[in-house]
Amino acid sequence: NAGVTQTPKFQVLKTGQSMTLQCAQDMNHEYMSWYRQDPGMGLRLIHYSVGAGITDQGEVPNGYNVSRSTTEDFPLRLLSAAPSQTSVYFCASSYWRGGGEQFFGPGTRLTVL
Amino acid sequence: AQKITQTQPGMFVQEKEAVTLDCTYDTSDQSYGLFWYKQPSSGEMIFLIYQGSYDEQNATEGRYSLNFQKARKSANLVISASQLGDSAMYFCAMNWDKIIFGKGTRLHILP
Repeated sequence: NAGVTQTPKFQVLKTGQSMTLQCAQDMNHEYMSWYRQDPGMGLRLIHYSVGAGITDQGEVPNGYNVSRSTTEDFPLRLLSAAPSQTSVYFCASSYWRGGGEQFFGPGTRLTVL
Repeated sequence: AQKITQTQPGMFVQEKEAVTLDCTYDTSDQSYGLFWYKQPSSGEMIFLIYQGSYDEQNATEGRYSLNFQKARKSANLVISASQLGDSAMYFCAMNWDKIIFGKGTRLHILP
């Protein structure tokens, strides 16, 4: 099993550009989520999904869109990048939101100039 | 609203001593779970331990134990016999309808 994979590992964008961060898992997990990590702020939840076709907002959803057309994939879209979105982004998945380990991807380091 | 609080931004501990990292939470739900993760300087998130709100015994995993005090809404992580490799960022997390994290505690183990 590959676990949770994220692409790209690094990305530099200019203000106003759009992009999609890819996340995939091969563990048949129902629950998937996106976090951003900033110094001193811990991990903040952006969006999450409890299954294919179902998504919901987390703590800091503004400026980001998600979709979940399959169990395996959960892409995060930045519609118009801003310098405030410079961060490290983690995707995670688990069997269900109610318990057990959440598996994390390696992270994507995004810089917006 | 549900909330996770880690009040210790940083800690310095002598090698081989026991360490307690604090975590308090706020929720009105009866069913929830509590996690601890370790993030070394390399950046990956490493799962350490999980405690369900209905578990009667404190969770343990090797040198890690979770001191769960439901009435006080605290879920402190205890690391016994600390090692240099324990130096890292530690995050407490909670799940009910979604999983959220505290701001973390940076632990430094001194030789």
